[in-house]
Amino acid sequence: DIVLTQSPGTLSLSPGDRATLSCRTSHSVSSLAWYQQKPGQAPRLLIYATFDRATGIPDRFSGSGSGTDFTLTIARLAPEDFAVYFCQQSVRSPFTFGGGTKVEMK
Amino acid sequence: QVHLVESGGDLVKTGGSLRLSCAASGFAFRDYYMSWIRQAPGKGLEWVSYISGSVSTKKYAESVMGRFTISRDNARNTLFLHMDSLRAEDTAVYYCAKGTYYFDSWGQGTLVTVSS
Repeated sequence: DIVLTQSPGTLSLSPGDRATLSCRTSHSVSSLAWYQQKPGQAPRLLIYATFDRATGIPDRFSGSGSGTDFTLTIARLAPEDFAVYFCQQSVRSPFTFGGGTKVEMK
Repeated sequence: QVHLVESGGDLVKTGGSLRLSCAASGFAFRDYYMSWIRQAPGKGLEWVSYISGSVSTKKYAESVMGRFTISRDNARNTLFLHMDSLRAEDTAVYYCAKGTYYFDSWGQGTLVTVSS
């Protein structure tokens, strides 16, 4: 299985800060997706195919990376962005997820 | 607007069976792959299974292979997950999601608790 390792585990930031979340894969993958999950809610797709924003996602969210190193950047944190973020690969079954990064308010 | 509503989650004894349903609306259901993804309490996400729109392709995570069966009724716009030989480690919120390589819409989830 392809293992996805997200770092840091927790990111303590303030509204308006820039957030940089990392996802490393155990094998090279051609694309990655990112999801946001708030407590008691289902995950929401933010980014697919490494760079493409899902419908309705603000442009402060951006994805980048290649090979085994990928990044989700939130340019300026809005109050509603404090949540847990997961990365996911779909290059090889099983389609594995990372363990998540929690973005919390400092 | 895509709408997915899961149902069927329950408390079940170890070794028991359960069938989950997911009612879909707002899109051409038969044209899309659909998936089940689960999340154990306080844990991360685990992909469980997917099925093609034509039903010709199904795939399962190794952890559920031989115990879970995914199916769909395109006439009723409904996705199913039949779960047999349930184990404590199957305890989770089960989400249905549209798509297979990435999941662009999710239901609210249904809780399955397996206990002796």
